[in-house]
Parts: sequence; C-alpha cells; structure tokens
Amino acid sequence: GQSLEQPSEVTAVEGAIVQINCTYQTSGFYGLSWYQQHDGGAPTFLSYNGLDGLEETGRFSSFLSRSDSYGYLLLQELQMKDSASYFCAVRDRNAGNMLTFGGGTRLMVKP
Amino acid sequence: DGGITQSPKYLFRKEGQNVTLSCEQNLNHDAMYWYRQDPGQGLRLIYYSQIVNDFQKGDIAEGYSVSREKKESFPLTVTSAQKNPTAFYLCASSMVDTQYFGPGTRLTVL
Repeated sequence: GQSLEQPSEVTAVEGAIVQINCTYQTSGFYGLSWYQQHDGGAPTFLSYNGLDGLEETGRFSSFLSRSDSYGYLLLQELQMKDSASYFCAVRDRNAGNMLTFGGGTRLMVKP
Repeated sequence: DGGITQSPKYLFRKEGQNVTLSCEQNLNHDAMYWYRQDPGQGLRLIYYSQIVNDFQKGDIAEGYSVSREKKESFPLTVTSAQKNPTAFYLCASSMVDTQYFGPGTRLTVL
C-alpha cells in the first residue's frame, strides 16, 4: 500500500516563507502532486514533480527527492489568502496510477 | 467554460434511503473519480473509472455504487448499506497527471 506523512498544522505570518514537508512510502512511485483546498471548497492543483529537483510556479515551489521519498511545498511572500489546507498526493504505478492523498496540512497565515 | 459540475451542493437524507450524487464534466477527460472527505481529513478514493462502461473500486467502496454510461457523467449512489455516509463528496476527472475537482456535495444523514 501507500502512506504519506505531512504535518497537520503550520502557522506563519504574512510575508514570510513556509515549507510543508511530505514523506511517502509506495512501491511503484510515479510522481508527487500538491493540491490546495480552502475551507468548504474543492482541491485545486498546484504542482507536480515526476523527477528530482525543484519546480517553481510564481510564489509556490515544489521539491522532490525520490531517493529520500521526500518532497516539500514552499510558499513565499505569504498572503492571507494562502490560508488553506495543502495536500500532497502520490501516484503509484502499482495501484493503477491512482492518486493517494496525505491527510493535509492546515496553513494559517496571521497578519 | 469547461469544467466539472456536481449537484446538489447540499443534500439531506434520512437513514435507510439511497441517494444519487451527480457529476458531469465537459473537459473530454477519460478518467473520473469519486472521493470522500471527512472533516479535517484527506481524500479517500471510493470508485474510479478510466473509460466508459468500466469502473473499479477504490479504498472505501463498500456501501457505494457507480455507473459510467457516458464519458461526461459518473454518478455516485450512496446506498443504505453505507453506515456513516455524512461527509463531503468530491468528483474529479483527469488527463495525464492533474486531477480537476468539482465543487463537491455535502451529504448529511438526518
């Protein structure tokens, strides 16, 4: 099976940088994705890492190390609207390429 | 505008009743999924379909049923066999590595 670990809550101040870590265990790792979900809303796709290294999209970056079964989401210049839950998800080729989601990290941005 | 629609947004059901949640997409995606989300938790896969007229059980399929008669539609029925159905239900479709989610249906059993 697959399992993912990420912190349940992170708090940061506006303008700061925050890193949300994700460690995973899976037999047929194919890629790591990140999704954002505001309270009461639907998850929206943020980024995908299929290979080792850093992917940058504006204020958000995502990193993957396949040898360490580890990735992180980096949010820079935090804004109040970034307060949301962030989920990492792994795609496993031994599970029909389905996504398995972590439990989510609730980010609270304070003024 | 392309996207995924789910209806209704809120649904109330009496115990012992079956209820069907709608999911429609016009993104021309082959794969569609149903997830369940409980408060403060992640998403758990109920059923998925990678092509019309074919679907597979996910991690928590017991008490649920689906059909995929058309590419655009993937309705989910929550049956009376589902012992704790109160949750937020999300439908998604995908192309390659990205899943696109509908707005969700919040089901409450009275």
